[in-house]
Amino acid sequence: EIMMTQSPATLSVSPGERATLSCRASQSVNSNLAWYQQKPGQAPRLLIYGASTRATDIPARFSGSGSGTEFTLTISSLQSEDFAVYYCQQYNDWPPLTFGGGTKVEIK
Amino acid sequence: EVQLVESGGGLVQPGGSLRLSCAASGFTFSSFEMNWLRQAPGKGPEWVSFINSGGETIYYADSVRGRFTISRDNAKNSLDLQMNSLRAEDTAVYYCMRPHGGYWGQGTLVTVSS
Repeated sequence: EIMMTQSPATLSVSPGERATLSCRASQSVNSNLAWYQQKPGQAPRLLIYGASTRATDIPARFSGSGSGTEFTLTISSLQSEDFAVYYCQQYNDWPPLTFGGGTKVEIK
Repeated sequence: EVQLVESGGGLVQPGGSLRLSCAASGFTFSSFEMNWLRQAPGKGPEWVSFINSGGETIYYADSVRGRFTISRDNAKNSLDLQMNSLRAEDTAVYYCMRPHGGYWGQGTLVTVSS
């Protein structure tokens, strides 16, 4: 089973600032990596797939990069609606699909 | 518009059973693979089970294998999850999910408690 590790667990950022979230896989997942955003009481929402492709209707301030075992989600200028929990998920070697533990982006 | 609507959650005693359903609309259900995932309170999502478009290929997480059964009815655009021998650690919001496009339902809460 591929383990996904996200850092940091919590990121305190001011509105308008840049946020950089990291995700590491225990073995290579090539580019088969997705990022999700989740707000309280809501289902996860797909942001990025294929490590760097934005999903439908996702704003350009969200970008993903990386391949193999190291991945990054960058939010270029945080808006109020971006404060949420973010999860990475690999779909290269499954079952099982596996998720990281999440990064909470909170208002500084 | 793709819509996935789960139902069937509730409170059940340990050892009990529950059947979850997911009603799909807005796409050709019979053409797409589907998953069930769950999320325990305060935790990240956990994959539970997969079924391919025709229902011939099925996978389960180790934590539910032998207790849960996934099925689908393509004529009714419906995905089900039969959950038996429920444990306290099965308490979670259960989501159906279409991996192509990353569509999730709103979830249904299952609470296993005496």
